[in-house]
Parts: sequence; structure tokens; C-alpha cells
Amino acid sequence: EAGVAQSPRYKIIEKRQSVAFWCNPISGHATLYWYQQILGQGPKLLIQFQNNGVVDDSQLPKDRFSAERLKGVDSTLKIQPAKLEDSAVYLCASSLGQGASGANVLTFGAGSRLTVL
Amino acid sequence: QQQVKQSPQSLIVQKGGISIINCAYENTAFDYFPWYQQFPGKGPALLIAIRPDVSEKKEGRFTISFNKSAKQFSLHIMDSQPGDSATYFCAASRAGYSTLTFGKGTMLLVSP
Repeated sequence: EAGVAQSPRYKIIEKRQSVAFWCNPISGHATLYWYQQILGQGPKLLIQFQNNGVVDDSQLPKDRFSAERLKGVDSTLKIQPAKLEDSAVYLCASSLGQGASGANVLTFGAGSRLTVL
Repeated sequence: QQQVKQSPQSLIVQKGGISIINCAYENTAFDYFPWYQQFPGKGPALLIAIRPDVSEKKEGRFTISFNKSAKQFSLHIMDSQPGDSATYFCAASRAGYSTLTFGKGTMLLVSP
């Protein structure tokens, strides 16, 4: 079974620039998550999709972050404009749909490391 | 508001020893408590998980102990090996929800 694919693995940008991260979840997984992991901290949920609908985006800084999951498969997370404090690893995860057996089991990708200078 | 508090922040254990990591939670609506293991440059991976209807779950060298009244749970790694050196995260989710709330992590180093 192929894992969760993310790209790019690394990105360095200047503050106020924009960046986009892409995620391809495990085939058949209806739920997709974007987490932010700042160095030395645990992952923090940014947004959760069930198919192509948003379930939870309460912690997404909507003035600069946006995410979409067109067609309920791949997802893109965008930051515009980036701030220094956005330097982090952006993790994408997927799981079976809400209510399914094993829905709590999240499979994570390797992450996209963002450095904002 | 930190809903899942994890300790210690870092831990050094000798090969063959027991590693113990503790977590405490505040939200009594949590009903699923997994532990994730993360190696450098990789995403977290599920290690073992428990629900509140049991007080202990064991899988190989890894054991979760759960104390519902104290709202605490812990990970025990028996016969710790250098290959266990990683960062460990406890997490929790509410009934009916798959969203995980993570602790801050414990960096474990097992010395040869």
C-alpha cells in the first residue's frame, strides 16, 4: 500500500512570499488532515477534510493560509504571505472516513519543511 | 490551552532498560489514546493505542497503562534498544471524531 505523498520536501522562501504544498493521501481514505509541526512541538491541526468538504478549520490562520481538496483526493495548502513564524514542517495525514472502523488511525506523510527567512 | 500534557521532554535510557513516558489529559470526552513514534525526517507513525475500557494494552515490548480516574496514560518500552531512539508523541481524540490532539513530544535516546 502506497503511503501519503507530499511535495516539496523542503522549501526556503523570504517573508511575504507565497508557498504551496501538495498532498496525495492513501487511496480510499476519505479524511485528509493538514498539521503544522513547529520544531520541538507536537503536530497541531490546521484543517481537516472529509472527502472535499471542510470538517474543521478552526485553527487555520485564514488571513494567510488556505487549503482545498478538489475532487476529494489530492489537497493543496497555501500560505500567502508567509511570516517568519510559519517556519515549520507541514504534515499531511489521511484516514478512513469518519465513522469507519479505524477512522482514528492516521497515516502521515514525511512532511514538507518550510523555512521563512 | 494544552489539552494533552506530556513528560518528560527528553529521556536517556541505557540499552535493555525501561523507558517510561507519561501523559495527562483534561478533556473527559477523549476516548481514544494513541502513541505515535517519529524518526528524524519522517512523519509520525502509529505505535500503539488504547481506549478507556481497558487499563493496559501490550504489543511486544510496548505497553500502554491507562488510569481513567487520574486522567493519565503512559507508554512503557521494555528492553529498550538503540533503534527505539526517536520522538514519541501521545495523543487523544473525542468519541465520534478522528481529529487527534498531540502532546509536545518526548525525545528518547537509548544509549548502546
